[in-house]
Amino acid sequence: GEDVEQSLFLSVREGDSSVINCTYTDSSSTYLYWYKQEPGAGLQLLTYIFSNMDMKQDQRLTVLLNKKDKHLSLRIADTQTGDSAIYFCAERGSNTDKLIFGTGTRLQVFP
Amino acid sequence: DTAVSQTPKYLVTQMGNDKSIKCEQNLGHDTMYWYKQDSKKFLKIMFSYNNKELIINETVPNRFSPKSPDKAHLNLHINSLELGDSAVYFCASSQAGTARSPLHFGNGTRLTVT
Repeated sequence: GEDVEQSLFLSVREGDSSVINCTYTDSSSTYLYWYKQEPGAGLQLLTYIFSNMDMKQDQRLTVLLNKKDKHLSLRIADTQTGDSAIYFCAERGSNTDKLIFGTGTRLQVFP
Repeated sequence: DTAVSQTPKYLVTQMGNDKSIKCEQNLGHDTMYWYKQDSKKFLKIMFSYNNKELIINETVPNRFSPKSPDKAHLNLHINSLELGDSAVYFCASSQAGTARSPLHFGNGTRLTVT
């Protein structure tokens, strides 16, 4: 079945790097996504990676994909207080348009 | 301009009532979804529609009835509301058949059943 897991909390100091991890079980995943949810708001797409890639960089964000281990990570460089939010990974299997979301990681950035 | 808009933003009602949530998208997408986010922030898909046709129904109680009058709108009607229905409901849209098409979410409707 489909299952996407994340650690629940991460606390980092402002200016440090944050690494949020995600594991999934569906080996047929085609695209994997990272979303950010700020309090009281909807989900904002941050970035995504195709399953035949192993890395994607977008400004302060770096996505690493280990397809063999079904492990996805999001690195945020120079983390700022405005990065405090819940981060969700999501995977899309083949032949489907639905996304399966992870449990979400609450990132807290302290000064 | 808001891409995916939901109304109302907040909905407080009593058990047993019937309520509706409306969703509209102006992105030209042909697929729309309803997701439920519980108090622990778990997000689970409920329904998806493609061009007004129901594609996904994830074993949601039949008290929940989605309706899609056209591909830009997907409404959710809930009958006989129960305490366990309290959650944040998110509408989303995407373009089907485009493998990398991400979901675009609305800002959610917080439903509280008392």
